[in-house]
Amino acid sequence: DAGVIQSPRHEVTEMGQEVTLRCKPISGHDYLFWYRQTMMRGLELLIYFNNNVPIDDSGMPEDRFSAKMPNASFSTLKIQPSEPRDSAVYFCASSLGGGYTEAFFGQGTRLTVV
Amino acid sequence: GQNIDQPTEMTATEGAIVQINCTYQTSGFNGLFWYQQHAGEAPTFLSYNVLDGLEEKGRFSSFLSRSKGYSYLLLKELQMKDSASYLCAVRDRETGANNLFFGTGTRLTVIP
Repeated sequence: DAGVIQSPRHEVTEMGQEVTLRCKPISGHDYLFWYRQTMMRGLELLIYFNNNVPIDDSGMPEDRFSAKMPNASFSTLKIQPSEPRDSAVYFCASSLGGGYTEAFFGQGTRLTVV
Repeated sequence: GQNIDQPTEMTATEGAIVQINCTYQTSGFNGLFWYQQHAGEAPTFLSYNVLDGLEEKGRFSSFLSRSKGYSYLLLKELQMKDSASYLCAVRDRETGANNLFFGTGTRLTVIP
């Protein structure tokens, strides 16, 4: 398996624009997580899905952020409108459910909002 | 809620041993993970502890004391490639069976 695949790797956009980040989890994994990483706050959990259903979105900063998982092999994180403070590295991770479960991370999307 | 604390930076010499500490407070502890993250890369899994004691895996070992809310990652025979950030993460059953809460990480620099 190629691991968790995220696209794009880098995104530069202007304030106010819509940004869509994409993730393909490892085949067979039933949990998918979206994290945001900044120097100040480290890795923060934004939302996670189990079997394509959002379970906990309490980490989503505000209504400008939304996430979907239309099927087991694809998820999106959308920011509309984007703001400079959204600049960060966004990681997607997936894992198998139950008991001991390590999360496998994608390479991340570095988002810069100017 | 969760509160995870680890030192921000550490420096150690090639060939030496270094211990990175992590303390945590969580209402429903359900496992502790250590991840390694090189600059500009994704975090990669190192170790997992759910019971008290030491887990050894090659040059890396991880220890857990649930009563003290304490863990450490021990790196032996340090190599230059071990220069990275080391992230402590806890799983909390009260907030979800499988989500991980991360500390801000310890940036380790290995010097010759």
